[in-house]
Amino acid sequence: EVQLVESGGGLVQPGGSLRLSCAASGFTFSSYWMSWVRQAPGKGLEWVANIKQDGSEKYYVDSVKGRFTISRDNAKNSLYLQMNSLRAEDTAMYYCARFLEWANWFDPWGQGTLVTVSS
Amino acid sequence: NFMLTQPHSVSESPGKTVTISCSRSSGSIASNYVQWYQQRPGSAPTTVIYEDNQRPSGVPDRFSGSIDSSSNSASLTISGLKTEDEADYYCQSYDSSNQVFGGGTKLTVL
Repeated sequence: EVQLVESGGGLVQPGGSLRLSCAASGFTFSSYWMSWVRQAPGKGLEWVANIKQDGSEKYYVDSVKGRFTISRDNAKNSLYLQMNSLRAEDTAMYYCARFLEWANWFDPWGQGTLVTVSS
Repeated sequence: NFMLTQPHSVSESPGKTVTISCSRSSGSIASNYVQWYQQRPGSAPTTVIYEDNQRPSGVPDRFSGSIDSSSNSASLTISGLKTEDEADYYCQSYDSSNQVFGGGTKLTVL
């Protein structure tokens, strides 16, 4: 069974940093693109970032460029999101998802980890 | 970048059929695949339609997807509505390296 489990969320002050992790199992992690998607409380879904199988290509939504960094460790079957200079508007549930690039399709999704940016 | 516009909410009775639209603001809807996700309260999204009209295994054939180039929109149709279909539904597509989600539609089955 394909499984994605996020961790690392929590309460952080504006301007602070946080590193999210996503542990993957049940599939050959190194063969797939991976993604982060977020959802602010009571709001819709917003794509955050994608990373290619070997980490050589990374793409971000404009609102996080220069502040967030997506990375992966294929030896550990893990995906990461380093978030710096956090703002109140970054408050959201952050989901890890496998990205099927031939259709630009997110499937499956993890259960998410909540990031709250507040003083 | 383009936008995907969905109705904020729809409602229908059990057993009936409902269609949720997803309109693309620029660029052709037919040029890039459209996916549809279901999100029940407190849960992560799951795919109900991918590649415009394909159903993942385990998704009942009551769910179907289509695209209409004349209106530059995609549609998700759910027939034989069940109370368990009550959820938020999101369309998603892309443009070069940017991924875009619609704002979501809350489906109420009453």
